[in-house]
This record gives sequence, C-alpha cells and structure tokens, in this order.
Amino acid sequence: AQKITQTQPGMFVQEKEAVTLDCTYDTSDPSYGLFWYKQPSSGEMIFLIYQGSYDQQNATEGRYSLNFQKARKSANLVISASQLGDSAMYFCATVAFYNTDKLIFGTGTRLQVFP
Amino acid sequence: DTEVTQTPKHLVMGMTNKKSLKCEQHMGHRAMYWYKQKAKKPPELMFVYSYEKLSINESVPSRFSPECPNSSLLNLHLHALQPEDSALYLCASSQEPGQGADTQYFGPGTRLTVL
Repeated sequence: AQKITQTQPGMFVQEKEAVTLDCTYDTSDPSYGLFWYKQPSSGEMIFLIYQGSYDQQNATEGRYSLNFQKARKSANLVISASQLGDSAMYFCATVAFYNTDKLIFGTGTRLQVFP
Repeated sequence: DTEVTQTPKHLVMGMTNKKSLKCEQHMGHRAMYWYKQKAKKPPELMFVYSYEKLSINESVPSRFSPECPNSSLLNLHLHALQPEDSALYLCASSQEPGQGADTQYFGPGTRLTVL
C-alpha cells in the first residue's frame, strides 16, 4: 500500500521569498510517480510537477522544483520567488506504475503568501 | 490544451431529486475519473473509466451512478442523496491508463449541496 505524509498543515511565506513544502511517501512498489497539485479556493486541482522514481534529475517547471531524495523517501516542493497568487492548498500525491489509475493524496499544506 | 470542463459549477438538490453531473475532455484521453472532496480533505477516488469501461468502483453507494457515453464524456447520475454527500465533485482525465505514471488533469469541480 502507498501512503503520502504532509506534516505541515499551514505555511506562511513573504512575497518573493522561496518556500519548501514537505512530502514523504511510503511505498513498496519499485516503480512509482510523485505529483504535486495546487488547489486554489476556487476548487480546481492544478497539476504542477511530476517526478518518476527512476528519474535521475530533480524535476523543474518554471518556479517549481521537486527535491527528490529517494533514499529518504521525500519529494519536497520548492517554490521560488513566491507570488500572492501562490496562496492555495498544495497536495502531494503518488501512483504506483502497476496500478496507474489510483492516485494517493496527502492531507495537503495550505500556503499563504503575504506582501 | 489540458482542459477538462465540468457542469454545473454549483448544484443544490433535495434528497428526493435526481440530477446529473457532466464532465467533458477533448484531449483524446482514455481514462476518466470521479473524485469526491469534502472541505479541508484530499480528494477521494470514486470511479475510474478506462477505455470507456468501468475499471474501478471504490465501493461507492448505488445512489451514485457513473456513465461514460463516449471517450470524451463522463456523467455522474445522482439519486436519493443524503446531506453528507454534499461536497466538491471533481472529474479528471489521463492519457493512457496502464502506461506508467499518467498525469491526471482535473476539471474545476461541481460544488454539490444536498438539502
């Protein structure tokens, strides 16, 4: 079985600063993917970034990067140069390659960016 | 274009009503999903359609009835709901089920209130 743990219920960051949102995972599957989604108060889940378990390099997408430490089973999201529009709920999620239809979410971290 | 559309955006219904939620994608994706999300919780998977066939039903009560008329459309028929069914219902789609970690793209959701 897979499990995602997000230990930070809430985080605050000042505009233009960088912030790291923590995510640890537990899986017995040798092949898996890790995702981060952003959910603003409007409700839509917005895909941000993906990391495969066999990827050697950390994934980056614009201001988002994923700090993947396989041995520690962590997949932290780093947001650089925070903007007010980054205020939202952030979910880490995982899926096993053998069972790609089931996305397992963490409990989420609410990020608030202040001026 | 990674757009998934959902209608209606908001729905209020009585416990004796019958209503339907609609989801549409034109990305050629072959897997479609329904999730239920309660306030301040992560999404919970309800149903998965893979190549227009129901592949996963997460023990959802029969008052929720999914339908996939074609590869672009997914409906969720609602009947005799309970107040505890009030939630945000999210639809998602992904390109190729069973082909490694497949990114799921979400729609904006339908906020359902059952009176």
